[in-house]
Amino acid sequence: DSGVTQTPKHLITATGQRVTLRCSPRSGDLSVYWYQQSLDQGLQFLIQYYNGEERAKGNILERFSAQQFPDLHSELNLSSLELGDSALYFCASSVTPATDTQYFGPGTRLTVL
Amino acid sequence: AQSVTQPDIHITVSEGASLELRCNYSYGATPYLFWYVQSPGQGLQLLLKYFSGDTLVQGIKGFEAEFKRSQSSFNLRKPSVHWSDAAEYFCAVLNNNDMRFGAGTRLTVKP
Repeated sequence: DSGVTQTPKHLITATGQRVTLRCSPRSGDLSVYWYQQSLDQGLQFLIQYYNGEERAKGNILERFSAQQFPDLHSELNLSSLELGDSALYFCASSVTPATDTQYFGPGTRLTVL
Repeated sequence: AQSVTQPDIHITVSEGASLELRCNYSYGATPYLFWYVQSPGQGLQLLLKYFSGDTLVQGIKGFEAEFKRSQSSFNLRKPSVHWSDAAEYFCAVLNNNDMRFGAGTRLTVKP
């Protein structure tokens, strides 16, 4: 158990819909990262937050957005969902943003029908 | 461009045999290096990491990895594989806030 929690574990929805994935980092970690894992794209970095502020952006679509709240939990919002958005979404956390080890949550499996 | 390469998509070894999983990276400077393991349907678990110092690092579950600057490699090894080691293994590099993962190597363990 890494100490990072993600909810829900599974999510099934339809195209065009909007969903919110939630992540609680390890106690004491200030930085949160979101990743998408799919069969064709592999593991891709989406976005990073540090202490409430966006720190780095990766291959995140404009239909996706995220935020980190004062209690340091983070939410990833996915809108206008397409079939190709079906994937495993991971959250990771670390103490500091740039050089620290990232610990991963169990993931949320999103299925878009 | 920065990249991480795991040349072997799938490796099969017999239980008790030794294992080496390859990882090469392409970065301007020495990045921070990691190996993660992912069991089916699970998240990623950190096996070991290299930041600096001794180039041979020990990890959990009997794994070790060696950083070779001249070859831009960070290969993962285990002297004797157990059936429970069957999983997907990811090499990752972190360079100035940019975390990149290799495509992964799936390990199958034969009885």
